[in-house]
Amino acid sequence: EIVLTQSPGTLSLSPGERATLSCRASQSVSSSYLAWYQQKPGQAPRLLIYGASSRATGIPDRFSGSGSGTDFTLTISRLEPEDFAVYYCQQYGSSPPAWTFGQGTKVEIK
Amino acid sequence: QVQLVQSGAEVKKPGASVKVSCKASGYTFTGYYMHWVRQAPGQGLEWMGWINPNSGGTNYAQKFQGRVTMTRDTSISTAYMELSRLRSDDTAVYYCAREIELDTAMVLDYWGQGTLVTVSS
Repeated sequence: EIVLTQSPGTLSLSPGERATLSCRASQSVSSSYLAWYQQKPGQAPRLLIYGASSRATGIPDRFSGSGSGTDFTLTISRLEPEDFAVYYCQQYGSSPPAWTFGQGTKVEIK
Repeated sequence: QVQLVQSGAEVKKPGASVKVSCKASGYTFTGYYMHWVRQAPGQGLEWMGWINPNSGGTNYAQKFQGRVTMTRDTSISTAYMELSRLRSDDTAVYYCAREIELDTAMVLDYWGQGTLVTVSS
């Protein structure tokens, strides 16, 4: 089973700054199968990025995803107050047919 | 509009079972797989498995095999997740989420509001 490791665990930044979040897979992942979600306290997760780099409907263009193979990145170009949240990467595989999430990166206000 | 509405919070004793429901509306229930994901207090997301509402076929995470059962009732567009032999570390918020295909990617685009299951003696 593929393990996703996110880093850092916590990112302390100020509004307007750039956030760079990493997601590393224990073995190669198809870019099509890598997604990012945002979760705010008390809320369900929200889909941000799919296929490693495509923004979901309604997601602002300050969010971007990149990467391939085992290394993927979520970048928030300029943090807005509503962007402070926890972010999870997620992948799914066919052998075994399982979905996995990273442990999350918390982006907090510095 | 798509909505997934889950049943209310539950308190169970260790060793008991819990069954959480997820009622779908605003789309064709049998057209999309339904996943279950849980989140222990202060922890990350943990995938439990999915059900194909059309066929009833399931795929469970290895960790939960033998303890989880996912079912559906197509007549009322509702999916269910039953977890047995509950332990204290099963205390978590349980989410249902709809799977959709975007381009060639499979993602979870709509989520229920979550159901808190507390396991305590």
